[in-house]
Amino acid sequence: AAGVIQSPRHLIKEKRETATLKCYPISRHDTVYWYQQGPGQDPQFLISFYEKMQSDKGSIPDRFSAQQFSDYHSELNMSSLELGDSALYFCASSLGRQTYEQYFGPGTRLTVT
Amino acid sequence: AQSVTQLDSQVPVFEEAPVELRCNYSSSVSVYLFWYVQYPNQGLQLLLKYLSGSTLVKGINGFEAEFNKSQTSFHLRKPSVHISDTAEYFCAVSVGSGSARQLTFGSGTQLTVLP
Repeated sequence: AAGVIQSPRHLIKEKRETATLKCYPISRHDTVYWYQQGPGQDPQFLISFYEKMQSDKGSIPDRFSAQQFSDYHSELNMSSLELGDSALYFCASSLGRQTYEQYFGPGTRLTVT
Repeated sequence: AQSVTQLDSQVPVFEEAPVELRCNYSSSVSVYLFWYVQYPNQGLQLLLKYLSGSTLVKGINGFEAEFNKSQTSFHLRKPSVHISDTAEYFCAVSVGSGSARQLTFGSGTQLTVLP
């Protein structure tokens, strides 16, 4: 079965630009999580969605927004990009929000110049 | 709030030697514990998990971990490592209550297997 798909895999943007990251969960998975991993750091939880509704919010900046669509894919929208936003952004999916096992995608590496 | 501490940022070990990567957690409620591995420029892969039941859990690639509630630890072990085990290892905790089960990660341990 196909795993979690993230696109694009690499993205280069300039300061103050916007970026959109996409996540396609495993088939039938209804819960999506976004994590940010800065250089040499551990992944930090940003936000999660269950059944197209926001479930929990972590350390997500106000400049970022996200949503989950009817086909369960999710998009992370990032505006007014800053140098500090350069990171690896992971999406994970699970079946049901009470499930503990999350499957991670390969990540999108965002570089802000 | 829960937190995870990985006591060693880097662990060098010779091939075929045993290894232990240490992880301690803090939480006032029931916890669910995980070990993930991250190879260079790749995503996170689940090695093993502890949800309940037997405190010794076995995972993929010959790894195992033991949940010790009294010491609040969940150390990862492998009796004989291979060069291909070189990677970053993250311990993570998920607290069981309410909403979706986001993970809190430790700072990671870089395991380097030397020939």
